[in-house]
Amino acid sequence: DSGVTQTPKHLITATGQRVTLRCSPRSGDLSVYWYQQSLDQGLQFLIHYYNGEERAKGNILERFSAQQFPDLHSELNLSSLELGDSALYFCASSVVTSGYNEQFFGPGTRLTVL
Amino acid sequence: EDKVVQSPLSLVVHEGDTVTLNCSYEVTNFRSLLWYKQEKKAPTFLFMLTSSGIEKKSGRLSSILDKKELFSILNITATQTGDSAVYLCAVGETSGSRLTFGEGTQLTVNP
Repeated sequence: DSGVTQTPKHLITATGQRVTLRCSPRSGDLSVYWYQQSLDQGLQFLIHYYNGEERAKGNILERFSAQQFPDLHSELNLSSLELGDSALYFCASSVVTSGYNEQFFGPGTRLTVL
Repeated sequence: EDKVVQSPLSLVVHEGDTVTLNCSYEVTNFRSLLWYKQEKKAPTFLFMLTSSGIEKKSGRLSSILDKKELFSILNITATQTGDSAVYLCAVGETSGSRLTFGEGTQLTVNP
């Protein structure tokens, strides 16, 4: 158990819908990262927040957005869902953001879009 | 574009064998190389390497980084069925923002 929690574990929804994935980082970690893992793409970096501020964006679609709240938990919002958005979504956290710190991953949310 | 390539993509061995997994990278602002083990769900952290030539060890697992040749290897000795997993190599950049992952090596250890 990494100490990073994610809810829900599974989510099944229809195309065109909107969902929110939630992540709580390890105690004391200020950085939260979101990743998408699909069968054909591997693990892809989406976005990074540090202490409430957006630090970097990766391959994140415009239909997706995220935020980090004052209590440091983060939410990833996915809207206008398409079949291709079906994937495992991981949140990871780290203490700081120096590049020398390992990221610890949560258990993931499996999203299925029908 | 940053790139991480792992080989082999798949490996099947018998218990007790020793395996070597490879990871090469092309990253603009390299800071660290990390190895993760992914079984059913979340990747679990194994090692972080930042300096060339210094081996990191944890039990039967060890890893080393070559920053000149831009690669790393992960060795597992006396493999056990519990070592069956996907092993992911990732590279961290100086901003500390992202990890760029390779495709992973699917290791299967048969009894």
